[in-house]
Amino acid sequence: QSALTQPASVSGSPGQSITISCTGTSSDVGGYKYVSWYQQHPGKAPKLMIFEVSKRPSGVSSRFSGSKSGNTASLTISGLQAEDEADYYCRSYTSTSTLMFGGGTKLTVL
Amino acid sequence: EEQLVESGGGLVQPGGSLRLSCAASGFTFSGYSMNWVRQAPGKGLEWVSCISSTSSDTISYADSVRGRFTISRDNAKNSLYLQMNSLRAEDTAVYYCARGQSLDPWGQGTLVTVSS
Repeated sequence: QSALTQPASVSGSPGQSITISCTGTSSDVGGYKYVSWYQQHPGKAPKLMIFEVSKRPSGVSSRFSGSKSGNTASLTISGLQAEDEADYYCRSYTSTSTLMFGGGTKLTVL
Repeated sequence: EEQLVESGGGLVQPGGSLRLSCAASGFTFSGYSMNWVRQAPGKGLEWVSCISSTSSDTISYADSVRGRFTISRDNAKNSLYLQMNSLRAEDTAVYYCARGQSLDPWGQGTLVTVSS
């Protein structure tokens, strides 16, 4: 069970947009609509930001959006704000009825 | 308020056992599948196990814990459990419980340290 592939780090200036990719296979990301994204600030529990590829839970800013093309899912954050600085993880359901996380991406707001 | 509170973590020697608990409140616990997810110090998230809403339906484990860990639940007590046996140093992590397919919400986590 190898982790989904995410860039180790991304950065952007306030107000800019950034995109974090999450690459898997046809047995996970490419095969199911069950891709989610989580935000984790240091010392805190993860928080759901996107579920089922592109749906936003109640209370999550519309600046966060998700999409998928083939075996790669993406999280886009527009209008970057200082409080967006955190670690971000993608997660997918898999063909073996398990869940798999990406390795995580550290977002730095410059 | 929907809430999950983990407990039972601590220091245990290699080869030892520990039982984690997750108390749920603010929602109909019996209507959701539940998961355990762990995070080793300074590392990323790792899914550990999932149990369906009715226990008897579907249980799944990560390869890294299969045969050593057992997930269970008591819907009457709104509680989720993780029995961890034959613990190894690499099991050292913060263990979170999380609700449903979407893993929302999460508890605050409980730290398990496996060391002699």
